[in-house]
Amino acid sequence: QKEVEQDPGPLSVPEGAIVSLNCTYSNSAFQYFMWYRQYSRKGPELLMYTYSSGNKEDGRFTAQVDKSSKYISLFIRDSQPSDSATYLCAMRMGGGNKLTFGTGTQLKVEL
Amino acid sequence: EPEVTQTPSHQVTQMGQEVILRCVPISNHLYFYWYRQILGQKVEFLVSFYNNEISEKSEIFDDQFSVERPDGSNFTLKIRSTKLEDSAMYFCASSQASAYNEQFFGPGTRLTVL
Repeated sequence: QKEVEQDPGPLSVPEGAIVSLNCTYSNSAFQYFMWYRQYSRKGPELLMYTYSSGNKEDGRFTAQVDKSSKYISLFIRDSQPSDSATYLCAMRMGGGNKLTFGTGTQLKVEL
Repeated sequence: EPEVTQTPSHQVTQMGQEVILRCVPISNHLYFYWYRQILGQKVEFLVSFYNNEISEKSEIFDDQFSVERPDGSNFTLKIRSTKLEDSAMYFCASSQASAYNEQFFGPGTRLTVL
């Protein structure tokens, strides 16, 4: 079983749709959870950072963590064509700095 | 807004040659990292560096790799004798010394080994 699993997509949605992106993980030692956005041939850009189980909102983005199910989600409201990118989940154990990434989900928001 | 910068953006080298990839982390950050991403694959951790020494490294980071902070601003990754399979995007990241330790990534250097 992979440490972090993420559906690679591609996921295509119409502009204005609510997008749900998900990752599951197997190692309960992961304590910190992040979502990065990566445009083609660019570096990952940090979108959301969460620690506790529950929801964290920032503008159109909501990150959700369920540690009991080992499941994290990113919701994008009112999606825009500029949201078209690959979304990477990443996680870190409590005692270290190494980020473990999912494979990324490619999102396309169409006009 | 401060950002991590990397040079060069693209490096082409012959197999067996040494390459040095350069990064300028965000100025008040204390932790520095290298990650790589082989085309079509996930981002993988290579090494973290703090207080002038390696704090953590992955299995990928073998004796062919080394890191250095030669001065107060640069952070470098050296690959001593490149192999074809070293072809990848190499990302530098940095973070403050905080509980959350948010890591901010540079734009990457595309390394092509021929």
